[in-house]
Amino acid sequence: QKEVEQNSGPLSVPEGAIASLNCTYSDRGSQSFFWYRQYSGKSPELIMSIYSNGDKEDGRFTAQLNKASQYVSLLIRDSQPSDSATYLCAVLLSGNTPLVFGKGTRLSVIA
Amino acid sequence: EAGVAQSPRYKIIEKRQSVAFWCNPISGHATLYWYQQILGQGPKLLIQFQNNGVVDDSQLPKDRFSAERLKGVDSTLKIQPAKLEDSAVYLCASSPPAGASGYTFGSGTRLTVV
Repeated sequence: QKEVEQNSGPLSVPEGAIASLNCTYSDRGSQSFFWYRQYSGKSPELIMSIYSNGDKEDGRFTAQLNKASQYVSLLIRDSQPSDSATYLCAVLLSGNTPLVFGKGTRLSVIA
Repeated sequence: EAGVAQSPRYKIIEKRQSVAFWCNPISGHATLYWYQQILGQGPKLLIQFQNNGVVDDSQLPKDRFSAERLKGVDSTLKIQPAKLEDSAVYLCASSPPAGASGYTFGSGTRLTVV
């Protein structure tokens, strides 16, 4: 059974702080990892993808992957109230298998 | 490029009635997915198509749910008869064949069964 685990939160951080979102996955053969942002009442929006161990930075977002520990994280620097949303971690075992999603972590950035 | 189109946006039906949802993927995307998202949970795959063939429908409740993708383009998901626990958002997504670059989701259909 492929599982993706996330702390459901809510995670509250003050404006300007770093928000750290974590995700673990059960299938050691997983190859591709994604973070989606979902605003209330909206559909998921892809914000980061990472495929190899280490860090990947895109603007204020940094994704971190540690395949040995089966751990993926998303850091949001200089958090803004507009970052308040649910962040979904998704894992792909191989190219033709479907994405498996975690339950999501609700982030609240307090102004 | 145009995104993934879904309709309707909202639907309210009584239990035991039937309902259908429609999805048109991004042009050129061979793979289409239907996910169910219950409030407070992550999306759960119902069915995956590649072109007009089913790749994975292991989590589709086949006694009441059906889906088709004729001609390998748009797709329809049907529920008959609906149960209260089917209340959820039904998300359609598409990707290029391998899917390794992530999916693009449509705006979803919010279904309420009363």
